[in-house]
Amino acid sequence: DAGVIQSPRHEVTEMGQEVTLRCKPISGHDYLFWYRQTMMRGLELLIYFNNNVPIDDSGMPEDRFSAKMPNASFSTLKIQPSEPRDSAVYFCASSLTGRGGQETQYFGPGTRLLVL
Amino acid sequence: GDSVTQMEGPVTLSEEAFLTINCTYTATGYPSLFWYVQYPGEGLQLLLKATKADDKGSNKGFEATYRKETTSFHLEKGSVQVSDSAVYFCALRYNQGGKLIFGQGTELSVKP
Repeated sequence: DAGVIQSPRHEVTEMGQEVTLRCKPISGHDYLFWYRQTMMRGLELLIYFNNNVPIDDSGMPEDRFSAKMPNASFSTLKIQPSEPRDSAVYFCASSLTGRGGQETQYFGPGTRLLVL
Repeated sequence: GDSVTQMEGPVTLSEEAFLTINCTYTATGYPSLFWYVQYPGEGLQLLLKATKADDKGSNKGFEATYRKETTSFHLEKGSVQVSDSAVYFCALRYNQGGKLIFGQGTELSVKP
């Protein structure tokens, strides 16, 4: 299996621009997660989906952030407009429902975002 | 609320030294516990897990035991290698739903 695929791997943009991060989960997985990692705040869960439906978006920092999952094999995280404080590594992860906590989250390689 | 606390890093050890990274948790129920590892420039990978009290997870020479009485899940390895240099994350998750709660991560640096 190819694992979780994220694109782009690196993104440099200017403040105010729209940024779209993409994720392809492992085929057959029914959970998808978006995380953000910074030195100051560590690893934060932004939002997660189950069967393409958003379950918990309480970690989304503000209205500038939005996430969609139009089908089981694709998700996007959009920032509009972007700000320098959004600079971070954004990870996507997926998992498959198993019995009694057996499921494992598999992480993608991350997208390194720098907003100037 | 539920939370995970790890010992602060960085932890610097010489090759073949014994490793302990402390992890304690606060939870209202009976979560599953995990250790993830992040090598430089990569995403997180599951290292080991335990789903109930007294379970021991182990992988690649690392092990951790789910201690309900002390709400702990300390990571240990008897002899570390330079290739173990990474950031280690402790996490918990309830059996229902998929949300992981991570600790802040502990950086390990192993010197030859």
